[in-house]
Amino acid sequence: RKEVEQDPGPFNVPEGATVAFNCTYSNSASQSFFWYRQDCRKEPKLLMSVYSSGNEDGRFTAQLNRASQYISLLIRDSKLSDSATYLCVVGNTGGFKTIFGAGTRLFVKA
Amino acid sequence: DGGITQSPKYLFRKEGQNVTLSCEQNLNHDAMYWYRQDPGQGLRLIYYSQIVNDFQKGDIAEGYSVSREKKESFPLTVTSAQKNPTAFYLCASSPWARGFSTDTQYFGPGTRLTVL
Repeated sequence: RKEVEQDPGPFNVPEGATVAFNCTYSNSASQSFFWYRQDCRKEPKLLMSVYSSGNEDGRFTAQLNRASQYISLLIRDSKLSDSATYLCVVGNTGGFKTIFGAGTRLFVKA
Repeated sequence: DGGITQSPKYLFRKEGQNVTLSCEQNLNHDAMYWYRQDPGQGLRLIYYSQIVNDFQKGDIAEGYSVSREKKESFPLTVTSAQKNPTAFYLCASSPWARGFSTDTQYFGPGTRLTVL
């Protein structure tokens, strides 16, 4: 089992749609959680951190479920510019062990 | 402007040659990392450094070497021992906080290495 697993997609959605990504992680001792966005042939950039209480940033909402060991990202009112790969990232204590998921590809179409 | 720079953007290497990828940051971050990304795969950690003159192997260090003589610089050498070096190489940095890998990592623009 991979340490961090994501549905590779691709997700093809029309503009204005709501889309949700899920990510599961295997290490119950994981301490930090992030969603990164990676455009084609570019570097990953932080989209948002994920907290136990959940957090929202405009059209983006991230949730963490420690009991089930999954993280979610919800994008509302999708824009063409949201087309990218979304990486789930999990950090563990005790060293520099940050695990990146393989990413979920999103295509938003007009 | 603060950030991370990597050079070159594209690099072509003949088999049997060593090449060095540059990574510089002016964010005053203590920790720096090198990752490799292959199509359809997540980032895999090659080496990381928490402080100057110290670095640790990541998950796929074989065939690679690094140095950390200055806080700002963390060059990666891809040696001829690396059997399949064609990939997208990403350098990142993060502040050092309580020794945990819980900090946001900031990435450079990457170097695409192709072995001819």
